[in-house]
Amino acid sequence: EAQVTQNPRYLITVTGKKLTVTCSQNMNHEYMSWYRQDPGLGLRQIYYSMNVEVTDKGDVPEGYKVSRKEKRNFPLILESPSPNQTSLYFCASSLKTGFTYEQYFGPGTRLTVT
Amino acid sequence: EDQVTQSPEALRLQEGESSSLNCSYTVSGLRGLFWYRQDPGKGPEFLFTLYSAGEEKEKERLKATLTKKESFLHITAPKPEDSATYLCAVLEDSSASKIIFGSGTRLSIRP
Repeated sequence: EAQVTQNPRYLITVTGKKLTVTCSQNMNHEYMSWYRQDPGLGLRQIYYSMNVEVTDKGDVPEGYKVSRKEKRNFPLILESPSPNQTSLYFCASSLKTGFTYEQYFGPGTRLTVT
Repeated sequence: EDQVTQSPEALRLQEGESSSLNCSYTVSGLRGLFWYRQDPGKGPEFLFTLYSAGEEKEKERLKATLTKKESFLHITAPKPEDSATYLCAVLEDSSASKIIFGSGTRLSIRP
């Protein structure tokens, strides 16, 4: 089954404790992206990757890191989480055929930073 | 500043009552406009891509249209299962990689 998986689905952590949210897709997609979703603000892009070893900042990259060492994986790293990073996070992938960014989204990771 | 604005924020309809959702955008150049559906607790699900003014796409009770400044998602004779949040997003010309989402319209269909 074609899918995007994220782990963990739920995470409660404390300020300053490094964490990684994993994202994996099994569709051989080139384009992958991370978003955060907050009430009233919609989905905001954090980072995106056009292919292996190619990443770029979205609208809200501060406090986050990413890497793309393999085509299928795109982990999101919070080196020193803060309470303002409490949010619902989504990973997405797409083929990037021409400009058809038909994105497939993961189920989401709800992060709480206390 | 590039922006995507959706209206209304919330819309409640009776089953069978047709209506439209609006997505207006201000970007330097539009490469593509996307509509997604999001159910509570789930990731968005792709519906349509529109590329140029005048283009239309249809899927069941949904039809998306595009002008130079906005897009409409028309819902004809909706059913309760159409209740969801509908998101609009644009891929703008200058980056061709960064995607900007609107904050969505929460649609509720009463039986």
